Amino acid sequence: DTAVSQTPKYLVTQMGNDKSIKCEQNLGHDTMYWYKQDSKKFLKIMFSYNNKELIINETVPNRFSPKSPDKAHLNLHINSLELGDSAVYFCASSQEGGWNSPLHFGNGTRLTVT
Amino acid sequence: SQQGEEDPQALSIQEGENATMNCSYKTSINNLQWYRQNSGRGLVHLILIRSNEREKHSGRLRVTLDTSKKSSSLLITASRAADTASYFCAKGGYGGATNKLIFGTGTLLAVQP
Repeated sequence: DTAVSQTPKYLVTQMGNDKSIKCEQNLGHDTMYWYKQDSKKFLKIMFSYNNKELIINETVPNRFSPKSPDKAHLNLHINSLELGDSAVYFCASSQEGGWNSPLHFGNGTRLTVT
Repeated sequence: SQQGEEDPQALSIQEGENATMNCSYKTSINNLQWYRQNSGRGLVHLILIRSNEREKHSGRLRVTLDTSKKSSSLLITASRAADTASYFCAKGGYGGATNKLIFGTGTLLAVQP
């Protein structure tokens, strides 16, 4: 069974559209994250949730809105997509805060905005 | 600037050889973690080493940490073609839940069969 699963794997859309990425973890972890990996493979945290509460909100445009309906799910909704949003988005989870325990990553969603 | 910078950026070796990747950081850490990323996949955690530890092993992997030099190294012994991947170090700081795990820029390792 996949521990951290995110869908879709690929997302191709036009500028201005709104899209969502879903993430679920079956590890029983308390903390979930969204990371963005750019074309140079640089990985940057976007959001962190602990037990459905927002803990970390990096300087991300407010077009990005995470939602955690329960501690096993963390979805990412993106409004008014821009070309610069093209990247691979990774969901991850950890037992404690990620600064102190290993992260478990999903396989990513490659978003291409045309 | 970013914490957790890897060196070299790319490394190409033959199967059976050892591969060493280095990671430097700037501020104090609680722990340092190493991850592997295969092409088109998510990152996989390899080893977590705490600031009071100097060395950890896991199979063919050996991680060292030198807090005085603010550096860590990952050694893969007897490399295999399947070790071809990007390797990232990530720094875990102090400060509780709002602290972030900061990833470096990665080393791309190519193991030639």
